[in-house]
Amino acid sequence: DGGITQSPKYLFRKEGQNVTLSCEQNLNHDAMYWYRQDPGQGLRLIYYSQIVNDFQKGDIAEGYSVSREKKESFPLTVTSAQKNPTAFYLCASRLTGGANTEAFFGQGTRLTVV
Amino acid sequence: ELKVEQNPLFLSMQEGKNYTIYCNYSTTSDRLYWYRQDPGKSLESLFVLLSNGAVKQEGRLMASLDTKARLSTLHITAAVHDLSATYFCAVDIRDYKLSFGAGTTVTVRA
Repeated sequence: DGGITQSPKYLFRKEGQNVTLSCEQNLNHDAMYWYRQDPGQGLRLIYYSQIVNDFQKGDIAEGYSVSREKKESFPLTVTSAQKNPTAFYLCASRLTGGANTEAFFGQGTRLTVV
Repeated sequence: ELKVEQNPLFLSMQEGKNYTIYCNYSTTSDRLYWYRQDPGKSLESLFVLLSNGAVKQEGRLMASLDTKARLSTLHITAAVHDLSATYFCAVDIRDYKLSFGAGTTVTVRA
């Protein structure tokens, strides 16, 4: 089945530790996105990528890094510079041309600092 | 900078009555999307609105887009409990940056 897979579903990070969240899609989508959602809040854009080997900062990129070495994969690293990383992280992908441009979302990764 | 504003942020609905959620945005765009999120879950696509005057309907939900007014509405007809969720609108701007509103949390009561 085609879709977007995020892993792990739950992740615990110690203070000062870097962690990487995985996002893989087999929908042949061009663009991929990472959003952060805090309890009771909307989605804030961290990074996005339209094509392989290119990505742009979103509204809250500080303390995060990404790579886009393959079309299917867009991993997000939460670095120790991110002081308040506890949140629900959502990855999305979509086509960038034509009429079917809605974004499809993975099931999310819930990150907790311990 | 694009601003996407939804109102109301919280909506308590009575079963059987009609309600409307509004989504305003600050920059020219002709692509707007509506999503639903259940508690603790991911987002599910509801509607894609790609041009001025676009109207889409699915069951008790109907969405419309007025690009001149930079306004989209999500109308709920005869609310039922199953519609309790958080609804988000999202807007496309240049470079395919997809920005979301804060969401409207809907609770349907008997």
